[in-house]
Formats: sequence, C-alpha cells, structure tokens
Amino acid sequence: EAQVTQNPRYLITVTGKKLTVTCSQNMNHEYMSWYRQDPGLGLRQIYYSMNVEVTDKGDVPEGYKVSRKEKRNFPLILESPSPNQTSLYFCASSFSVGTITFFGQGTRLTVV
Amino acid sequence: QKEVEQNSGPLSVPEGAIASLNCTYSDRGSQSFFWYRQYSGKSPELIMSIYSNGDKEDGRFTAQLNKASQYVSLLIRDSQPSDSATYLCAVTNAGNNRKLIWGLGTSLAVNP
Repeated sequence: EAQVTQNPRYLITVTGKKLTVTCSQNMNHEYMSWYRQDPGLGLRQIYYSMNVEVTDKGDVPEGYKVSRKEKRNFPLILESPSPNQTSLYFCASSFSVGTITFFGQGTRLTVV
Repeated sequence: QKEVEQNSGPLSVPEGAIASLNCTYSDRGSQSFFWYRQYSGKSPELIMSIYSNGDKEDGRFTAQLNKASQYVSLLIRDSQPSDSATYLCAVTNAGNNRKLIWGLGTSLAVNP
C-alpha cells in the first residue's frame, strides 16, 4: 500500500530535550516536506527536500532541522524544543513539487 | 504575498443538499489546483485535482475552475454527514517554485 508513515503519533516532551520525528514513504517520491498545523494558521511548511541531500527552508524553519540521506526517509529534528513548537506535524511527499501530495498520519507534539 | 483564500465557515447544509465551497487565489499564473478533505485531528486527503478551466466530476464531487476570475470551487452533491470535515484548497505557485500554497480551509457541517 502506498503510504507515508511518520512516528510517533503522539509525543509529550519537556523543553530542551532533543527529539526526532521519523518519516518514510514507499512511493519513490522525490519531493518531501514537513508541515505544522495550528488553529487559525493552517498548514505551514517547515522544510522541504527536492531530492536526496537537497533540503531547503520553508516558511517557518526556526528551531527545526531535517536531513535527506535516503530518498524514502525525511526525519524532522527538534534540537531544543520549546513550548511554542507544540503543534500537529505532518510529513508529506509527492512525485515532484506542486503535484498531488500524500500526507502521513500526523504527529501531535506537546512541549511542556 | 501570494494567497489562497477560503471562507472559514462553518458552512452548514442539510443532508442530501448540495454543498458549495469556494476558493480564490492571487497568483494569476497558478497551474494546478487541489481540494483536500481533513477530518478533525487527521491528515489531509486528496478529493480532487483540476488543471484546466471548466468542470471536473468524480462521483458526488465536482471541481470547477475559472482561471480568468481566479477561483476554484468544490460542489458536493447529496451531502452526507460523513462529509462533515474541513476542506482545504491548495494552489501551485507560478514560476520555477511551483510550491503549494494552502488556504486555511472551510469547515463543513452536514446535518442529518
């Protein structure tokens, strides 16, 4: 089954404790991205990757890191989480930029 | 600042009625247009994509695109309570970028 898989689904952590949210897709898509979704603010892109080893900042990159060492994986790293990063996060992939986008199940992150 | 605008709603329709959702966009060069459905706390899922002016039908859903007026709409015929969700409009940025620009979504409630 074609899918984007992200883990964990739910995460509660403390301020400053590094965490990684994993994302993997099995559709051989070149374009992957991370979004956060907050009430009233909609989907905002954090980082994106056009292909392996090619990543770039989206609209709200501060406080986040990503890497794309393999085509299928695109982890999101929060080196020192803060409460304002409490949000619903989605990993997404598509064949190329601007094409039909598939989303992971979402990760609800709470930073206390 | 390129934008995609949607009425936030909630749009309330009785079961069996036609729900009409609208989206306007500012970038005249946009080429690809998508409607996604998102249930509360879940990930967005593609409902329709449309690329040329006119209507595109898929089951109970019809997407309508008018590039001259810069709007795209989604009609849901014979609305069901299971259609109650937030509907997100996404439009590609023109030029080399072609990234998706997301609207904030319209909340639809279908009342039995």
